[in-house]
Amino acid sequence: ETGVTQTPRHLVMGMTNKKSLKCEQHLGHNAMYWYKQSAKKPLELMFVYNFKEQTENNSVPSRFSPECPNSSHLFLHLHTLQPEDSALYLCASSQNRVPSADTQYFGPGTRLTVL
Amino acid sequence: GQNIDQPTEMTATEGAIVQINCTYQTSGFNGLFWYQQHAGEAPTFLSYNVLDGLEEKGRFSSFLSRSKGYSYLLLKELQMKDSASYLCAVSGSGGSYIPTFGRGTSLIVHP
Repeated sequence: ETGVTQTPRHLVMGMTNKKSLKCEQHLGHNAMYWYKQSAKKPLELMFVYNFKEQTENNSVPSRFSPECPNSSHLFLHLHTLQPEDSALYLCASSQNRVPSADTQYFGPGTRLTVL
Repeated sequence: GQNIDQPTEMTATEGAIVQINCTYQTSGFNGLFWYQQHAGEAPTFLSYNVLDGLEEKGRFSSFLSRSKGYSYLLLKELQMKDSASYLCAVSGSGGSYIPTFGRGTSLIVHP
């Protein structure tokens, strides 16, 4: 248990569906992150929020839309996804956006399958 | 460009010692992380090296040589539960403090 929870743990959706992934951290951190993890590929940073403000968008397609209503919650809204978007989506948090002294704490991920 | 290399897979015997290497070529460096990720679970922090040398934490040690762009994670007295993926990540790559991850090394420990 890392203090970061994600729901759902598994999601299967069609290309025309709209769904949302939720992340919640109970650590009092100020920065939150979305990563994509595909088989045989490095973790890919998608978005970074610091104090609820988006500070990084790593050239992510617009079919992925993040939302950060407060420092404890982070959402990833999904619509018209492609099969190649199937992956493990990991949420992480850190005390601030400079993790050189603070590590990132990861949630267990949502395993997404797009049919 | 940013490049972080790790072996894809390694196998070792219970009770043995294994060294997982990571080499990096990045346009900036602040520090290097090692994470452990069991199948279906969250990556968890193992170590963070900023300065050259070896840092020991129980059965796990991590080494860094900044001049060589090289790190390794050393696991001693291997246990079955050490079977996992080990992720190397560099902070400061491209001028960003956010870590850039390697592909990970899948370690299989057998009896």
